[in-house]
Formats: sequence, C-alpha cells, structure tokens
Amino acid sequence: RKEVEQDPGPFNVPEGATVAFNCTYSNSASQSFFWYRQDCRKEPKLLMSVYSSGNEDGRFTAQLNRASQYISLLIRDSKLSDSATYLCVVPKNTGGFKTIFGAGTRLFVKA
Amino acid sequence: EAQVTQNPRYLITVTGKKLTVTCSQNMNHEYMSWYRQDPGLGLRQIYYSMNVEVTDKGDVPEGYKVSRKEKRNFPLILESPSPNQTSLYFCASSWGREAFFGQGTRLTVV
Repeated sequence: RKEVEQDPGPFNVPEGATVAFNCTYSNSASQSFFWYRQDCRKEPKLLMSVYSSGNEDGRFTAQLNRASQYISLLIRDSKLSDSATYLCVVPKNTGGFKTIFGAGTRLFVKA
Repeated sequence: EAQVTQNPRYLITVTGKKLTVTCSQNMNHEYMSWYRQDPGLGLRQIYYSMNVEVTDKGDVPEGYKVSRKEKRNFPLILESPSPNQTSLYFCASSWGREAFFGQGTRLTVV
C-alpha cells in the first residue's frame, strides 16, 4: 500500500456542483495533514491544514477520519477557477520535515 | 515580497555534465527542501534541511547532492545527470507547517 493515495481523477464537474476528494494514508501516527492546490505547470500552494477532526474555509471543507485513515476535501459551489490539481500531504515524522505528497487529483470545472 | 527563487527555470543538458540548480528564500525559514515531480507520481522529496549545515535524505536522494552553508540558500547538485533525472524540480521553504514553493525548474537530460 502506498503511504499516501489519491484518486487521480480527473473529476469533471459543472459550475455550481459539489465535489469531494479522498486521500488515504498508511501511517496511523500521522497527526497533521494538508491540502495543496497546484495549477498547471505552477508551484503548489497551501489550501488548507487539517489538524483534528476538520477545517472549513468558505466553500472548502477538509475532514479527517483517523479510524479509517483518510482525509477528504469537499468543494461546494464549484467555480471555473477551482480547476486545478489537489495534492494531499502527510508529514512522515513528528517534526513534519519529511513529507509525503499524494500524486494529486485533477479537477476540471466546466461552464 | 516573500518568495522562493529557483534558477534556472528551464535547463536542457547532456548526460554526465555536472549542474547546479540554485534556490534562495528571503523569509528566514529554517527548513528547506527539494522535490521532483513526475507524471503520475506526484512530488517526491529528494533532500531536506532543517537548518544551516543540517541536511537529510528524502525518499529519492540517489544521484543528487545538496548543501546548506547559509540559511537562505539550498542548492541542488547533480554531479553526473542521467536521463532518468529529467523532471520538474521544486524547492520549498517553511517555518511551521506551510511550505512555500519556488516556481520550479524544468530539467531535461539528453
């Protein structure tokens, strides 16, 4: 089993739709998790952190399920500008310096 | 402006010709890291540094070297590049949890 796994997609959704991605991780000791957004050929940028049960920021909600070892990202009312690749990140050690990135989930939002 | 700067942005080189990709950050971050990104594999960590003169291997360190002589700089060195090192490379720096990435270096080894 990979340390971090994501559904690669692509997810093709119309504007206004709600879409959710999952990310499973293998290290049960992991304490914090992150979602990054990467636009085509650009650098990744932090979208959300998930430290406990979940986090919400506007249209975006990240949730953590420790029992099943996955985190999810929910995007409500999708916009064209949400089209990107979403990367799940799991620190590998307690210091958080060794990180494992998921391969990413591609999202296309269409008009 | 807070930023991570990588150079060059694009590089085509030949097998075996030593090269260095520079990375500099102006945020006084202690932690810096190098990643490579390949289709279907996501970002894989090559090396990271927790402070000046402190570096450690990530998941794919073979064929790479790094140094951290100053806090702001973290160059990536390929002593003898091979075609399987053709990739998109990102440098990142962080304090706490959020990582800030450079714009990337697209390297092609022929």
